[in-house]
Amino acid sequence: GQSLEQPSEVTAVEGAIVQINCTYQTSGFYGLSWYQQHDGGAPTFLSYNGLDGLEETGRFSSFLSRSDSYGYLLLQELQMKDSASYFCAVRWGIIFGKGTRLHILP
Amino acid sequence: DTAVSQTPKYLVTQMGNDKSIKCEQNLGHDTMYWYKQDSKKFLKIMFSYNNKELIINETVPNRFSPKSPDKAHLNLHINSLELGDSAVYFCASSQVRGRRAHTQYFGPGTRLTVL
Repeated sequence: GQSLEQPSEVTAVEGAIVQINCTYQTSGFYGLSWYQQHDGGAPTFLSYNGLDGLEETGRFSSFLSRSDSYGYLLLQELQMKDSASYFCAVRWGIIFGKGTRLHILP
Repeated sequence: DTAVSQTPKYLVTQMGNDKSIKCEQNLGHDTMYWYKQDSKKFLKIMFSYNNKELIINETVPNRFSPKSPDKAHLNLHINSLELGDSAVYFCASSQVRGRRAHTQYFGPGTRLTVL
């Protein structure tokens, strides 16, 4: 089976940096994906790590350590529009964690 | 141009009714999915089709029946609707091979409310 653990909520200040962690247990690992979902919206793809290390896409970066079964999403220069839920996912991105609600304070 | 579209966007119905949700993608992808997102925002895979063939069939009541008439369409039919079926249903698509094989594109969702 598979399970993913991520914090249910994280709060940060506008302009700051925040890290959202994800630990996973899965039979057969095919990479770790990250999705963003605004209230009332659909999940949208943010990032993918198939190998260990850091992937950077603009203000967002994602990290993976396969030996630790751990990854994180790093959001820099936080903006109010980044207030959303963030999901990590495994198994070609079809098994999702329960999501982390990111609150951003002005 | 909408990449993944679903109809209807909202569906309100009585318990016991049968309803369908339609999904279409114009991305040329070979794999399509149905997800259920409950009130706690937990996103759970239900079904997946690759080139019209069912490849994932998670533990879902058999009142739910997917149908893929072609690679671009995946519909979801639900019989004898129950209160617990109330949720948002998302359709998604992806390409199995290639650099972006892991990337799923989601439709806008269908909010189903069973009264």
